[in-house]
Amino acid sequence: DGGITQSPKYLFRKEGQNVTLSCEQNLNHDAMYWYRQDPGQGLRLIYYSQIVNDFQKGDIAEGYSVSREKKESFPLTVTSAQKNPTAFYLCASSTRQGLNNEQFFGPGTRLTVL
Amino acid sequence: RKEVEQDPGPFNVPEGATVAFNCTYSNSASQSFFWYRQDCRKEPKLLMSVYSSGNEDGRFTAQLNRASQYISLLIRDSKLSDSATYLCVVNKGGFGNEKLTFGTGTRLTIIP
Repeated sequence: DGGITQSPKYLFRKEGQNVTLSCEQNLNHDAMYWYRQDPGQGLRLIYYSQIVNDFQKGDIAEGYSVSREKKESFPLTVTSAQKNPTAFYLCASSTRQGLNNEQFFGPGTRLTVL
Repeated sequence: RKEVEQDPGPFNVPEGATVAFNCTYSNSASQSFFWYRQDCRKEPKLLMSVYSSGNEDGRFTAQLNRASQYISLLIRDSKLSDSATYLCVVNKGGFGNEKLTFGTGTRLTIIP
């Protein structure tokens, strides 16, 4: 089955530790995205990548880093510089053909920093 | 002013009723528009794209008014399974460059 997988579903870390969230897709999509969702707020874009070996900062990139070495994979590292990392993190992917391209989301990772 | 504004609700409506959601956006250059549905503690999923001429998919009707920068979603004959949060989403990027801006969502609960 085609889709997007994120792991783990729940993640707990101590303050000051870096943590990497996994995102893999087998939809053959060129574009991939990372969002965070906080209670009472809409999804906010952290980073996005439109093609392998290229990525761009979104609206809230500070304290995060990404890589895009393979088309299928777009891991997100939450660094100790991120002031408020506890959130629901969602990865998405889409094609780059046309204007009304659906973004398909993974099931998300809930990160709690203790 | 938020880029995408929605009434957060909650909307509690009886089964079978018609419910309407509204959304406004601030960037007049926005290219495309969507309604996504998000169930509790799950990922968002596309409900429907919104076209300038308006479009319908079964019990769901979406409308776009570019002049007023306004998007709407109408759900007729609501079902219990329609209970979810509905996200208004606007693409502020250009062709092949999706940069979606999400509203905070409107929570809908259908009451038996």
